[in-house]
Amino acid sequence: DAKTTQPPSMDCAEGRAANLPCNHSTISGNEYVYWYRQIHSQGPQYIIHGLKNNETNEMASLIITEDRKSSTLILPHATLRDTAVYYCIVKAGGGADGLTFGKGTHLIIQP
Amino acid sequence: NAGVTQTPKFQVLKTGQSMTLQCAQDMNHNSMYWYRQDPGMGLRLIYYSASEGTTDKGEVPNGYNVSRLNKREFSLRLESAAPSQTSVYFCASSEQWGAKNIQYFGAGTRLSVL
Repeated sequence: DAKTTQPPSMDCAEGRAANLPCNHSTISGNEYVYWYRQIHSQGPQYIIHGLKNNETNEMASLIITEDRKSSTLILPHATLRDTAVYYCIVKAGGGADGLTFGKGTHLIIQP
Repeated sequence: NAGVTQTPKFQVLKTGQSMTLQCAQDMNHNSMYWYRQDPGMGLRLIYYSASEGTTDKGEVPNGYNVSRLNKREFSLRLESAAPSQTSVYFCASSEQWGAKNIQYFGAGTRLSVL
């Protein structure tokens, strides 16, 4: 699976959009970008994933650049409950092998 | 809907003791996983089971054994616990629809080995 690079920490004001970047310059054509988050020692929670098109669900939006070498997770209206560590993971489609977690980005939502 | 249930939630062991961490899922998922998470680090895969009857090593399998008891249950055993195995252990299960593989995690077992 391709390696990802994320900033170790970010701040965002409550109510504003939180934009979390991820670099995955060695991504292969069959690899998807997944985002998970982990709220204070709880188990990780799936947020969203995509291949090359932008994706949106009830939690977030995922913007993938045209060359697929980077992506941005957008939380449109951040709340204090969005404070968490966010993991960007690249994984080939299909297959039942596990996820490779880096250290992620610690997002802190400020009141 | 319980999802993924792990027991126990906390455990303290002495070096050399053995124990089994239990995991059960009620989502009818084929695949199940065990990860460990050390302070300030991301999760690392210990073992996984792609389907009932199969198990495979992950990134850090040494010192652990697993059993896929049935489709619902996947246990992790420490035969002789060491202080280096002090960690938080997470179990997960996944659904796979074509290229999609989304994992659902339990709340974790916090293990201290003295």
